[in-house]
Amino acid sequence: DQQVKQNSPSLSVQEGRISILNCDYTNSMFDYFLWYKKYPAEGPTFLISISSIKDKNEDGRFTVFLNKSAKHLSLHIVPSQPGDSAVYFCAASGSTLGRLYFGRGTQLTVWP
Amino acid sequence: ETGVTQSPTHLIKTRGQQVTLRCSSQSGHNTVSWYQQALGQGPQFIFQYYREEENGRGNFPPRFSGLQFPNYSSELNVNALELDDSALYLCASSLGTPLNTEAFFGQGTRLTVV
Repeated sequence: DQQVKQNSPSLSVQEGRISILNCDYTNSMFDYFLWYKKYPAEGPTFLISISSIKDKNEDGRFTVFLNKSAKHLSLHIVPSQPGDSAVYFCAASGSTLGRLYFGRGTQLTVWP
Repeated sequence: ETGVTQSPTHLIKTRGQQVTLRCSSQSGHNTVSWYQQALGQGPQFIFQYYREEENGRGNFPPRFSGLQFPNYSSELNVNALELDDSALYLCASSLGTPLNTEAFFGQGTRLTVV
């Protein structure tokens, strides 16, 4: 049972434009959400997180939005750069769960 | 650079064999989790260790077992390997539990079972 879903396996964006990656979850016990970026032959690298008490968190070019009522979060990257090309994983956890639940990932390609 | 290192990076084993994968956690991190990432999938939680005790387990059979040592290193052992065990195995370390904090991943061990 996939509790974290990334329904777009791939996204292609031109350099300089905005990239929007989406993630949905089903478990209302989740209260902490993270985005990881993964390059080939490397482990996932933490990118940005958000607690359920917030609806937005920004870090430079990266912003994560959380809509708890819709059980939806999104990662905005602006402006997108070719070096952002990677697989992006959405993950969720909860204070009573003690583990991360991952989506299947979205392959982002940023072309010049 | 996450400070989490795994060894070996690649491994080929025969069905039925046993394998031990190793992880050195980031200094000071007392929680380590292991994940299995099959091709085209997101990482799936295998188990977590906190202060050398198992602290949660995912939907994996008992032939998947682990250890955590006082120096924060850890092992994942898999007995009676099956072809479906072929995957990228990731270890992640973090400070404290529950896991409402960033987990830092190693580069993974690519296991191929033939």
